[in-house]
Amino acid sequence: RKEVEQDPGPFNVPEGATVAFNCTYSNSASQSFFWYRQDCRKEPKLLMSVYSSGNEDGRFTAQLNRASQYISLLIRDSKLSDSATYLCVVSGVQTGANNLFFGTGTRLTVIP
Amino acid sequence: DAGVIQSPRHEVTEMGQEVTLRCKPISGHDYLFWYRQTMMRGLELLIYFNNNVPIDDSGMPEDRFSAKMPNASFSTLKIQPSEPRDSAVYFCASSQSPYNEQFFGPGTRLTVL
Repeated sequence: RKEVEQDPGPFNVPEGATVAFNCTYSNSASQSFFWYRQDCRKEPKLLMSVYSSGNEDGRFTAQLNRASQYISLLIRDSKLSDSATYLCVVSGVQTGANNLFFGTGTRLTVIP
Repeated sequence: DAGVIQSPRHEVTEMGQEVTLRCKPISGHDYLFWYRQTMMRGLELLIYFNNNVPIDDSGMPEDRFSAKMPNASFSTLKIQPSEPRDSAVYFCASSQSPYNEQFFGPGTRLTVL
């Protein structure tokens, strides 16, 4: 079983729409959660951390559900510039080392 | 700060050749990570270092891959001999701790013919 699983999409939504991504993780002991954004042919960059109580940054809202072991990202009022791949990232322990595990990403395309 | 620096940005080589990828982490970051990204497998952790010491190399595909970090400001990932299936984008990232935000370099796009 993969550490982190995401729906690869693609999600094609019109400008102004609200879109939500979910991500499940397998390690119940995970403590840190993030959403990264990766533009085409660019490196991943941190979009936002995900806190236990949920958090919001402008049009973006992240939620954590520990009981069901999933995190979500909600984007309101989608902009063309939101088109990118969104990577779910979860901390964990493997082979005795501490790591961040990256999902394979969900591709979003916002259509004019 | 210039961020994480990687070189070369693009590398095209022939099967059997040696390839060396280079990375300079952000100053003050004690952790350095090497990742490989492909369409099929996504972002895979190959190896990471803490204070120049390799901590986990379980992601290194096979003996053809090796990584070194001779000092806090430089790391290399070497593939010898290279094979077409090694074609991917290789990212280097650094962070202050294994659970903090990782800052990625621009990547090296490797094509092995």
